[in-house]
Amino acid sequence: DTGVSQDPRHKITKRGQNVTFRCDPISEHNRLYWYRQTLGQGPEFLTYFQNEAQLEKSRLLSDRFSAERPKGSFSTLEIQRTEQGDSAMYLCASSLAGGYNSPLHFGNGTRLTVT
Amino acid sequence: GQQLNQSPQSMFIQEGEDVSMNCTSSSIFNTWLWYKQDPGEGPVLLIALYKAGELTSNGRLTAQFGITRKDSFLNISASIPSDVGIYFCAGSNTGNQFYFGTGTSLTVIP
Repeated sequence: DTGVSQDPRHKITKRGQNVTFRCDPISEHNRLYWYRQTLGQGPEFLTYFQNEAQLEKSRLLSDRFSAERPKGSFSTLEIQRTEQGDSAMYLCASSLAGGYNSPLHFGNGTRLTVT
Repeated sequence: GQQLNQSPQSMFIQEGEDVSMNCTSSSIFNTWLWYKQDPGEGPVLLIALYKAGELTSNGRLTAQFGITRKDSFLNISASIPSDVGIYFCAGSNTGNQFYFGTGTSLTVIP
């Protein structure tokens, strides 16, 4: 399968714990995005990378959130000191920068539940 | 961030009927995307639009990039049960960040 892969699919954690999610994009895609989606809402932009550079971050991305893409391939999203309000689906998407024929292709997400 | 309004919020239709939904933006976009999302899964790309006035089809789906560049439309012809899901529009004016609508939930009654 050459689509976007996310791990884990589900994560249950207690409030205050740290969690880390991983995303493997489509191999030839140089852009990688993180979105958050809560029930009944559309995905909300968090941040994106072009290669290893993090080019834009949303105000939604508090200082408890950090994303990395160290070698321009896979990416990790870490949430420190989780809060119940962090419970959501975290979606990763990738695309090919530079061309207009570069829509976002999403993975199946990581569903986070903070108890 | 940008606000995209989708309507209707939900639809209940009989199998075989045609479906129309739309998405409006407060800003001009140069790219519109339409996605379908099933429960517990990520959004799947249906159609991408890059030019004002463009009309693009994908099987029974047809989408249009509005002339004002502030809206887009999605039509589904002869609906079938597997069309059930939530449909999202997404737009961008930079090709970098994409903003999503709140979705249209479609239920098809056999």
